[in-house]
Amino acid sequence: QKEVEQNSGPLSVPEGAIASLNCTYSDRGSQSFFWYRQYSGKSPELIMFIYSNGDKEDGRFTAQLNKASQYVSLLIRDSQPSDSATYLCAVSNTGFQKLVFGTGTRLLVSP
Amino acid sequence: EPEVTQTPSHQVTQMGQEVILRCVPISNHLYFYWYRQILGQKVEFLVSFYNNEISEKSEIFDDQFSVERPDGSNFTLKIRSTKLEDSAMYFCASSESTQVGWQFFGPGTRLTVL
Repeated sequence: QKEVEQNSGPLSVPEGAIASLNCTYSDRGSQSFFWYRQYSGKSPELIMFIYSNGDKEDGRFTAQLNKASQYVSLLIRDSQPSDSATYLCAVSNTGFQKLVFGTGTRLLVSP
Repeated sequence: EPEVTQTPSHQVTQMGQEVILRCVPISNHLYFYWYRQILGQKVEFLVSFYNNEISEKSEIFDDQFSVERPDGSNFTLKIRSTKLEDSAMYFCASSESTQVGWQFFGPGTRLTVL
């Protein structure tokens, strides 16, 4: 069974702080890694993707991938109350295959 | 900005009834997916669809489920005889014909089986 594990949280951070979200996966064949944001009652919204080991930055978001450790993380700098949501880690074997999701980490950013 | 649309937003049905959930993927996308999310649980893959046929399906996607692309724009999920445990949010997603594989999700249909 291919698993994606995330701490369910909630992860509470003050406004302006860095939020660090982590994810591990069991399938060493995983090639593509995605972070989705899901507000309560809404659909997943793609915010970051990463395919290669190392860091990838996009605005306030940085995704980090370590395939040897089977570990993906998402850093959110200068966290805002509007970032309060559940962050879903998803992996796939190739570009068009199914996404396997973790249970998500709930992030709470307090003003 | 192009987006995936889904109808209806909420469907209430009686156990044993058939339901059809509809999706309009992003127009230049060729790969289509259905996922579901039971309240409080993770998003689960149901089926992927490419070139008018199923590419992959999960164990959840049993004989009660079917998918169809009846025309050039719609992508449907049919549940023939709904069960109480089919109550969930159903998300349609689509991705481009590139190696990137980003999947963009529709707003979802909340299915309630009574």
